Amino acid sequence: DVKVTQSSRYLVKRTGEKVFLECVQDMDHENMFWYRQDPGLGLRLIYFSYDVKMKEKGDIPEGYSVSREKKERFSLILESASTNQTSMYLCASSDTGLAGGRGNDEQYFGPGTRLTVT
Amino acid sequence: SQQGEEDPQALSIQEGENATMNCSYKTSINNLQWYRQNSGRGLVHLILIRSNEREKHSGRLRVTLDTSKKSSSLLITASRAADTASYFCATVASYGKLTFGQGTILTVHP
Repeated sequence: DVKVTQSSRYLVKRTGEKVFLECVQDMDHENMFWYRQDPGLGLRLIYFSYDVKMKEKGDIPEGYSVSREKKERFSLILESASTNQTSMYLCASSDTGLAGGRGNDEQYFGPGTRLTVT
Repeated sequence: SQQGEEDPQALSIQEGENATMNCSYKTSINNLQWYRQNSGRGLVHLILIRSNEREKHSGRLRVTLDTSKKSSSLLITASRAADTASYFCATVASYGKLTFGQGTILTVHP
């Protein structure tokens, strides 16, 4: 079974702190994604990556950055956390070759990190 | 921007009844997927239907796709209390990138 793990289930940080959310997948997937989920807004894509050291902005990248130094690991960074970044953060991976257009795009999700910024 | 819009936003039924959820979208798609999310957890992929397919089945799930109306429906037959969850449709326009709707909250009463 594909496994996507996230470093924390719950996290509480203070405004202005630098926050790292880590995601690891064990299926050698090429693509990895970070979403945030808020009531009434559904899931919104923050950043995604289709290869090591590659990243693409999603729909709401402002205030976030990402890092993908190894294929299995995709990190989301909040450079200076703010209260409006309090949310559920979900990581996902898929084996679609974005460049080649193959595959079925099914995404495998981690359990989520509920981040509270006070 | 949200591509998929689910309807209804919430659905409450008794065990054994069927549950139908609908999804509409705006632009052309490559495929459409349905996911389930149990309270406070990650999403689980349920079923995928490609743009050239009209209907697909998986166990108690039946998905239809009408590309002319830009809509899809998910039918769960003989529902169980364990089906209680949020259900999301997600569309794929460009390969690999999903756009999610806001979801339908399904409650199945024992």
